[in-house]
Amino acid sequence: EAQVTQNPRYLITVTGKKLTVTCSQNMNHEYMSWYRQDPGLGLRQIYYSMNVEVTDKGDVPEGYKVSRKEKRNFPLILESPSPNQTSLYFCASSLGSGRSSYNEQFFGPGTRLTVL
Amino acid sequence: GNSVTQMEGPVTLSEEAFLTINCTYTATGYPSLFWYVQYPGEGLQLLLKATKADDKGSNKGFEATYRKETTSFHLEKGSVQVSDSAVYFCALYTNAGKSTFGDGTTLTVKP
Repeated sequence: EAQVTQNPRYLITVTGKKLTVTCSQNMNHEYMSWYRQDPGLGLRQIYYSMNVEVTDKGDVPEGYKVSRKEKRNFPLILESPSPNQTSLYFCASSLGSGRSSYNEQFFGPGTRLTVL
Repeated sequence: GNSVTQMEGPVTLSEEAFLTINCTYTATGYPSLFWYVQYPGEGLQLLLKATKADDKGSNKGFEATYRKETTSFHLEKGSVQVSDSAVYFCALYTNAGKSTFGDGTTLTVKP
């Protein structure tokens, strides 16, 4: 089944304790992206990757890191989490980029993170 | 930068009522436009899309037309059902890889 998977789905942690949220897609997609969803603020893009070893900042990259060493994986790293990073996080992927029929994004189920 | 402005919610309608959710955007370049839907406890899924001016996207009775002159992509459905209750997001995507979403509009349809 074609899908985007995220792990963990739920995480409660404490301030300053490094964590990684994994994201994997099995559709051979070039483009991957991370978003956070907060009440009243919609989805905001954190980082995106147009291809392996190519990453770029979205609108809210502060406090996050990403890497894209393989096409299928795009982990989100919080080196020193803070309470303002408590949010619902979504990973997404799409076949390609550019203004075409191929940039529909497929979303993972979400990771609910609480930082105490 | 790019931005998407959606009609504020929540929106509550009776079954079989007509739905319009307004969406306007600002963008550099020539974006693709999307509507995504999010059901409770789930991730977003594509509802419809349009990649150039005057394109009409449609799916499951929903429609939206890419209006470059008014920078709009309003979502419409002629007769809503209880099962359409969800959060709807308007979004744009540019060649540079950036995606911008609206704040979402919560729709509740009552029997």
